[in-house]
Amino acid sequence: NAGVTQTPKFQVLKTGQSMTLQCAQDMNHEYMSWYRQDPGMGLRLIHYSVGAGITDQGEVPNGYNVSRSTTEDFPLRLLSAAPSQTSVYFCASRPDMGYGYTFGSGTRLTVV
Amino acid sequence: SQQGEEDPQALSIQEGENATMNCSYKTSINNLQWYRQNSGRGLVHLILIRSNEREKHSGRLRVTLDTSKKSSSLLITASRAADTASYFCATGLIQGAQKLVFGQGTRLTINP
Repeated sequence: NAGVTQTPKFQVLKTGQSMTLQCAQDMNHEYMSWYRQDPGMGLRLIHYSVGAGITDQGEVPNGYNVSRSTTEDFPLRLLSAAPSQTSVYFCASRPDMGYGYTFGSGTRLTVV
Repeated sequence: SQQGEEDPQALSIQEGENATMNCSYKTSINNLQWYRQNSGRGLVHLILIRSNEREKHSGRLRVTLDTSKKSSSLLITASRAADTASYFCATGLIQGAQKLVFGQGTRLTINP
């Protein structure tokens, strides 16, 4: 079992560029979420999904899009990168809301 | 502001001592979870306690939940250097139960 796999691990973008952060899990989990972690801010929820075809916004969704076409994959798209999106991004999955999350190892994104 | 707030923000103790971290939250919950994050790594789920439970144990970890005070505590007994990490509480809300909202974390340092 690979668990939750995030790619890339590191990325530098220029302001205005777009990109997709990939997230895949092989545990057949229905629930998946994207969080960003900034110093002193803990983790903030960007978007989440409760199953294929179902997504919803979290606390800080602006500037990000998601889709969930399969159970396994939950990509996060940055539409037009801004320096405020410099952060570490974590993807996580769990079977349903009564369980804890399994986290990926994160993507460290820098926007210059 | 965050749903869950940990206290203290930082804690430094000697190896072998017990470490206690507290979490307070604002709105009614289904469950409360604790996670550990080693520096530069993803989060690892430690324990989940449901709103109708008062105490739960897992190895050297003991979690309590007081829903009347909207607070939880994590006790790590007989601490080890490997316990050095940041610890986060996360709440599964009754309203919006699909979301898991994290606090800002407690940075625990175990001194040899």
